[in-house]
Amino acid sequence: DAGVTQSPTHLIKTRGQQVTLRCSPKSGHDTVSWYQQALGQGPQFIFQYYEEEERQRGNFPDRFSGHQFPNYSSELNVNALLLGDSALYLCASSSLGTGTENEKLFFGSGTQLSVL
Amino acid sequence: GDSVTQMEGPVTLSEEAFLTINCTYTATGYPSLFWYVQYPGEGLQLLLKATKADDKGSNKGFEATYRKETTSFHLEKGSVQVSDSAVYFCATATSGYSTLTFGKGTMLLVSP
Repeated sequence: DAGVTQSPTHLIKTRGQQVTLRCSPKSGHDTVSWYQQALGQGPQFIFQYYEEEERQRGNFPDRFSGHQFPNYSSELNVNALLLGDSALYLCASSSLGTGTENEKLFFGSGTQLSVL
Repeated sequence: GDSVTQMEGPVTLSEEAFLTINCTYTATGYPSLFWYVQYPGEGLQLLLKATKADDKGSNKGFEATYRKETTSFHLEKGSVQVSDSAVYFCATATSGYSTLTFGKGTMLLVSP
């Protein structure tokens, strides 16, 4: 059983460009959350998707947007990239729909984004 | 909003030494508390959790007790191994386990 998979593993972009990161949740999970982990910092919550809708959002600008597909996979889009967007982007999945959010959150290995 | 403060690292220990990593939090309501571990090149893994005051979470020899009176959730292990070398994150959740607030992490380095 594959866990949470993220692609690509590494990405290099320049300021002003746009980027799309992808995530496939663990089998049986219906909820995807995205986190940004800057170097030397803890992960910060960006937003969460459930039933193809943004359910909760952290303190991130509108340049950060997302999408969830009917198969529960998700994309994170960042527009007008800034140097400060360089970070490890983590995707995590869980089960809201089954009422078992008490299950532990499963994290992917992340996408390392470098903005030059 | 919630915030988590962890002791700064790196924490450097010899194998079989006793480990304590301090964590304190501020949160509205009654948060659930977590310790996550991140091994090099890997994603975060849940190590243990506690959902109410005086609960003790434990896993793989690690323990932490939810102390509401001191708003703390310190991580302890009686005898660390080289394989425990990793970054440890303390986290809180007040609105579901998917929306976590993390501390900055504490790197643990264990030498033989």
